[in-house]
Amino acid sequence: SQQGEEDPQALSIQEGENATMNCSYKTSINNLQWYRQNSGRGLVHLILIRSNEREKHSGRLRVTLDTSKKSSSLLITASRAADTASYFCATDAGFQKLVFGTGTRLLVSP
Amino acid sequence: DTEVTQTPKHLVMGMTNKKSLKCEQHMGHRAMYWYKQKAKKPPELMFVYSYEKLSINESVPSRFSPECPNSSLLNLHLHALQPEDSALYLCASSQGGLVNEQFFGPGTRLTVL
Repeated sequence: SQQGEEDPQALSIQEGENATMNCSYKTSINNLQWYRQNSGRGLVHLILIRSNEREKHSGRLRVTLDTSKKSSSLLITASRAADTASYFCATDAGFQKLVFGTGTRLLVSP
Repeated sequence: DTEVTQTPKHLVMGMTNKKSLKCEQHMGHRAMYWYKQKAKKPPELMFVYSYEKLSINESVPSRFSPECPNSSLLNLHLHALQPEDSALYLCASSQGGLVNEQFFGPGTRLTVL
């Protein structure tokens, strides 16, 4: 399977703490994207990092990409209860396909 | 309008029924997708339409039949489904081309009895 792996599978933190989740993938990519999914709902695109970029920021989100290690990380700073969701990385190797990672379930407690 | 809509939100059907899922977007996107998602799993790609033509079929059983009547609409026709087909069915769209940021609908929760 080309599916990416994410760790941890689940993460439980307190409001105000930072959350870090990691993604590893198997093939060469054009870009890597992160999506959020609230329980049983559609996915929301968070951020895209291209293969020639190493770091990208968007608000409280920071994404890194290491193509030599085929890995990426998503950092959410100063987390809020509303950040509770599942987070998926998705690799875009072209050919109109996204391959999603296994996901990290984040629980942020007030 | 940056929204992808899907109807119905929930669907319960028997194994002999025929039903359809609908998806609509008005963002001018030229690529549309169907995904299947089981609980606590990532979405799995089923079909991709590009410029209203089927470009990817991920070896999906023929009891699932996609249709793209125009650039804004995507249907998924269901017939003779099995209980294991129960899942959340997600539609997405994207501009197409090299940057494939996808916009997802809220999904249809399908239960096959």
